[in-house]
Amino acid sequence: GAGVSQSPSNKVTEKGKDVELRCDPISGHTALYWYRQSLGQGLEFLIYFQGNSAPDKSGLPSDRFSAERTGGSVSTLTIQRTQQEDSAVYLCASNPGPSYEQYFGPGTRLTVT
Amino acid sequence: GNSVTQMEGPVTLSEEAFLTINCTYTATGYPSLFWYVQYPGEGLQLLLKATKADDKGSNKGFEATYRKETTSFHLEKGSVQVSDSAVYFCALSFNAGNNRKLIWGLGTSLAVNP
Repeated sequence: GAGVSQSPSNKVTEKGKDVELRCDPISGHTALYWYRQSLGQGLEFLIYFQGNSAPDKSGLPSDRFSAERTGGSVSTLTIQRTQQEDSAVYLCASNPGPSYEQYFGPGTRLTVT
Repeated sequence: GNSVTQMEGPVTLSEEAFLTINCTYTATGYPSLFWYVQYPGEGLQLLLKATKADDKGSNKGFEATYRKETTSFHLEKGSVQVSDSAVYFCALSFNAGNNRKLIWGLGTSLAVNP
């Protein structure tokens, strides 16, 4: 079946603009995660959804970052007033429940100029 | 807090050499431990995992044993191939509650030369 998909694959934006990144998890997966992979910083957790609710938002770096999930499926990560330090690869993962392996999407490479 | 430390790369080996990538962790409680791999141009994939002490995860010739006494989960392979060239990430997560996020090491780049 289809894996986790993310769009766009690449996004170049000007500093100060807002961006939306989309994640389509594997059908039936109730848990969804966002991570950020920065050069030299490794991977960092951003937010976790179980269904449409987010029990763990502890990784969102500032109030410019928000995420939502609707219908227990698609999730959107929004970054407002982008800054250059937001440049990174944003990864989405899903699984059938928190105790299962996480399946990762290919990521969205965000470049803020 | 909870953290993962893995050896810095890059690691460069010749084909058929023995590989060890060290990973140690700090955690409150009893985490599950994972190795993920990212091949060039591809997404992260689970390589192997272990969910409790003394468990050994294995896949594609790679092995790692969950050592609670040394808080380690070192990745080993007896004979690497060029196709093993990738970035390897050690990670942990917890088995209980809502705190199921993965906590990652910084990754170790492996290059295998023919």
